[in-house]
Amino acid sequence: LAKTTQPISMDSYEGQEVNITCSHNNIATNDYITWYQQFPSQGPRFIIQGYKTKVTNEVASLFIPADRKSSTLSLPRVSLSDTAVYYCLVGDTGGFKTIFGAGTRLFVKA
Amino acid sequence: DTAVSQTPKYLVTQMGNDKSIKCEQNLGHDTMYWYKQDSKKFLKIMFSYNNKELIINETVPNRFSPKSPDKAHLNLHINSLELGDSAVYFCASSRRARQGPSLNTEAFFGQGTRLTVV
Repeated sequence: LAKTTQPISMDSYEGQEVNITCSHNNIATNDYITWYQQFPSQGPRFIIQGYKTKVTNEVASLFIPADRKSSTLSLPRVSLSDTAVYYCLVGDTGGFKTIFGAGTRLFVKA
Repeated sequence: DTAVSQTPKYLVTQMGNDKSIKCEQNLGHDTMYWYKQDSKKFLKIMFSYNNKELIINETVPNRFSPKSPDKAHLNLHINSLELGDSAVYFCASSRRARQGPSLNTEAFFGQGTRLTVV
């Protein structure tokens, strides 16, 4: 199973773009890269998922280089409500073995 | 309507007791999961069920027994509770994924059940 490494914590200010990078050096061919967001006392919430290149939705963008050994979650113009823990996951297509890492605690300041 | 709901939200009990946590999803998903989040916030998968069939049992003590009466429900029963079982337990569900790089295995999580064993 591919292990992920991401920064333990990050600080930012409102209105800034935040980029959180995740390393997954032993990612397998069938593995997807998925990011979740978790607020205190809530379950994780899906943000974005990708396989290669770039994926963008209304919430974030996900950049994946050609070797797929890392990925970067980009949050445009963060607000105070984006303060949360962000998890990078790498898992097989069945999702059954998806493993959550330690996550990155993002703290957005006014 | 809540997509994935768990009950109870809080559970305080004494060591040695037996307790159950219920989970229901109304998303029509085939796959359901139980995760445990400890005090350090690590989320670890415990069980995965697909169409009522156990797929994953990740080195969980036998005191933990999942029960899936139908595809929409996955309950977690815990026997002889121990102090170390104190954690937040999350239920989740997703569609069954197919092979190929064009699918979405987004998992929907419940609000969690905070179990405290005293």
